[in-house]
Amino acid sequence: GQNIDQPTEMTATEGAIVQINCTYQTSGFNGLFWYQQHAGEAPTFLSYNVLDGLEEKGRFSSFLSRSKGYSYLLLKELQMKDSASYLCAVRLGNNDMRFGAGTRLTVKP
Amino acid sequence: EAQVTQNPRYLITVTGKKLTVTCSQNMNHEYMSWYRQDPGLGLRQIYYSMNVEVTDKGDVPEGYKVSRKEKRNFPLILESPSPNQTSLYFCASSRTSWVHEQFFGPGTRLTVL
Repeated sequence: GQNIDQPTEMTATEGAIVQINCTYQTSGFNGLFWYQQHAGEAPTFLSYNVLDGLEEKGRFSSFLSRSKGYSYLLLKELQMKDSASYLCAVRLGNNDMRFGAGTRLTVKP
Repeated sequence: EAQVTQNPRYLITVTGKKLTVTCSQNMNHEYMSWYRQDPGLGLRQIYYSMNVEVTDKGDVPEGYKVSRKEKRNFPLILESPSPNQTSLYFCASSRTSWVHEQFFGPGTRLTVL
């Protein structure tokens, strides 16, 4: 089977930094995605990693280690609007996608 | 405006009554996909299409059908809906046939009684 694991919930304080981890065990791997989903809305794309290392995009960064089957999403200077679910997804070899169950992040003042 | 549209947005139906959820994108995207989202399970892929007339099963295809006769449209068909298909459904598209950033539709909340 395909396993993609991420914490169910996290809480952080406005202005702080939070790291959301994702581990995966899949039969194929052709890239890892992070999406943000606010309650009641559709997911929106945040980042994509296919090679090992860190990808930075403004306040958000994503890291990948293929040998460890591990990724994290780093959110800096947290804002209240960052309260949302964060979805980790792996593109398998056949171009199909597997998502983790998502991490619900609550940002508190 | 570049977008993915789905219809209907909300639907309550009864077991066994065939239904179709439409999905259309105006971005000339090659890749389209259907997902269902259930609490605690996250997004699960139902079917995907890398281009016109090319469709493949995702993780949970049982009980669903799709077709891709035109590039812009990718309808999801439930021939005989059952209560376990009650879910939130999302359609998504990606620019190339090799899926990258996906743009999601607003979702269709389906209840099967």
